[in-house]
Amino acid sequence: DSGVTQTPKHLITATGQRVTLRCSPRSGDLSVYWYQQSLDQGLQFLIQYYNGEERAKGNILERFSAQQFPDLHSELNLSSLELGDSALYFCASSGGASGSHEQYFGPGTRLTVT
Amino acid sequence: AQSVTQPDIHITVSEGASLELRCNYSYGATPYLFWYVQSPGQGLQLLLKYFSGDTLVQGIKGFEAEFKRSQSSFNLRKPSVHWSDAAEYFCAVGPPYSGAGSYQLTFGKGTKLSVIP
Repeated sequence: DSGVTQTPKHLITATGQRVTLRCSPRSGDLSVYWYQQSLDQGLQFLIQYYNGEERAKGNILERFSAQQFPDLHSELNLSSLELGDSALYFCASSGGASGSHEQYFGPGTRLTVT
Repeated sequence: AQSVTQPDIHITVSEGASLELRCNYSYGATPYLFWYVQSPGQGLQLLLKYFSGDTLVQGIKGFEAEFKRSQSSFNLRKPSVHWSDAAEYFCAVGPPYSGAGSYQLTFGKGTKLSVIP
């Protein structure tokens, strides 16, 4: 158990809909990272937050957005869903300014768009 | 731009045999290097990491990896594979950590390991 929790585990929804994925980082970790894992693209970095602020952006679509709340949990919002958005979405967390750069991954949310 | 190549998509070994998974990276300086393992239906678990110093690093579950700067490689090894090692393995590269609270990893596409009893 990495200490990172993600809800829900599975999500099935229709095209055009909007969903919210939730992540709680390990206790004390200030950084949260979101990744998308699909068969064709592999593991792709989407976005990172550090202590409530966006720090880095990867291959994140404009239809996707994220935020990190004062209690440090994070939410990834996916809107106008397309079939191609079906994937595993992982959240990872790492330590704060003390320098831990090891990322600890949650169990993931499997999104199926029908 | 940094990149990671795992040349083997799928490897099958017999239980008890030795294992080597290849990883090559492209990066301007000496990066931080990581190996993660993903069991079916699970998240990624950190196996081991290299930052500096001794080029042979030991990790969990009996795995080790060797950093070879001249070959830009960070291959993962295990002397005797167990059936429970069947999983997907990911190599990742990141910049030397600057303490700025932001750290981005680039992952390879993974190598799936199957173990024959």
